[in-house]
Amino acid sequence: DMKVTQMPRYLIKRMGENVLLECGQDMSHETMYWYRQDPGLGLQLIYISYDVDSNSEGDIPKGYRVSRKKREHFSLILDSAKTNQTSVYFCASSVFSTGAHNQAPLFGEGTRLSVL
Amino acid sequence: KTQVEQSPQSLVVRQGENCVLQCNYSVTPDNHLRWFKQDTGKGLVSLTVLVHENDKTSNGRYSATLDKDAKHSTLHITATLLDDTATYICVVGDRGSALGRLHFGAGTQLIVIP
Repeated sequence: DMKVTQMPRYLIKRMGENVLLECGQDMSHETMYWYRQDPGLGLQLIYISYDVDSNSEGDIPKGYRVSRKKREHFSLILDSAKTNQTSVYFCASSVFSTGAHNQAPLFGEGTRLSVL
Repeated sequence: KTQVEQSPQSLVVRQGENCVLQCNYSVTPDNHLRWFKQDTGKGLVSLTVLVHENDKTSNGRYSATLDKDAKHSTLHITATLLDDTATYICVVGDRGSALGRLHFGAGTQLIVIP
């Protein structure tokens, strides 16, 4: 069963704490993404990973870093979280040809992060 | 600057009615356009994808059109059900590979009432 799994689903942290969001997929997709979704805005790309240890910044990488040591696993790390990083974070995966009309990216259910 | 604009922002319809959601974009190049459905508290699920000029697609009660000249797409939902209550998101891909970017609209929130 094709699935992208995000853990945890809900997280509350204090400003300055470190945050680790985890994402796993079982399709052996090369490409994985981290997005954030804020009210009234479209999803914004934080980082994209093309394969193990092949990561690129997205449109809003500041304050975030990522790790991909296995193809099926992609982590998002917030070092010293800030209140403006309160958001819903989505992980997605796809085959390399993400734009191909026959391969939609598969999204996880999101992690709702509150930074107090 | 927002490159994908969706309208209306929100919409309330009665069960059984039809509705039309709009998507205008300025993304260039526009390789393809995809509509997603996002249930409350869930991830995005692809409904349909349009690739070519004047493409039309149909997926059950969902149908979509694309006018690449006008950079405009519509999503039609026929005979709405309560389960159609969700946010519908228009996404434009600027390339046919992961080297491209996906440009997301903010979504139209559809509420279907009995």
